[in-house]
Amino acid sequence: EAGVVQSPRYKIIEKKQPVAFWCNPISGHNTLYWYRQNLGQGPELLIRYENEEAVDDSQLPKDRFSAERLKGVDSTLKIQPAELGDSAVYLCASSLGGTGANVLTFGAGSRLTVL
Amino acid sequence: GESVGLHLPTLSVQEGDNSIINCAYSNSASDYFIWYKQESGKGPQFIIDIRSNMDKRQGQRVTVLLNKTVKHLSLQIAATQPGDSAVYFCAESGYNKLIFGAGTRLAVHP
Repeated sequence: EAGVVQSPRYKIIEKKQPVAFWCNPISGHNTLYWYRQNLGQGPELLIRYENEEAVDDSQLPKDRFSAERLKGVDSTLKIQPAELGDSAVYLCASSLGGTGANVLTFGAGSRLTVL
Repeated sequence: GESVGLHLPTLSVQEGDNSIINCAYSNSASDYFIWYKQESGKGPQFIIDIRSNMDKRQGQRVTVLLNKTVKHLSLQIAATQPGDSAVYFCAESGYNKLIFGAGTRLAVHP
């Protein structure tokens, strides 16, 4: 099993440029998450999908961030335009979903540096 | 808002010693907790979990203790090895949502 796959692993852009991250979750996992992890801190949830529906996007800065999960499998997270403060690691995770507690499996993350 | 935090940002131990990483949580309604390990350049990796109806749970070389009275969680690692060096996060889990603390860095010295 490949696990949660993310790309690119690293991205360096200048401020005001757009950037996109891609995530392929574990096969069969209905729930997909995007987290942001700032240096020296724990991950913070940006958005959660149940299949193709965004069920929790309360922490997503909607003025510049957008996400989609067409067909309920792969997902992309976009930032446009990027700001200096967006420099962070963007983590994708997936879980089986459903009721009750679920263990999240994380990808390796996409490290963004905004210059 | 509700949060999960850690007491110590850095813990240094000698190889072979036992390690104890502590975590405080603030939401008394939380009923599920997870410990994750994150190595440099990697995503968090599941270590062990515990439900609020338990006080203790053991895995391979790891034990999680839960004290609901004082809202405290700890991770014990027996016979710490160099490969245990990483940042450890406790996380509070509600319905399909994890809230992470800031993390504790464990440094294992030979």
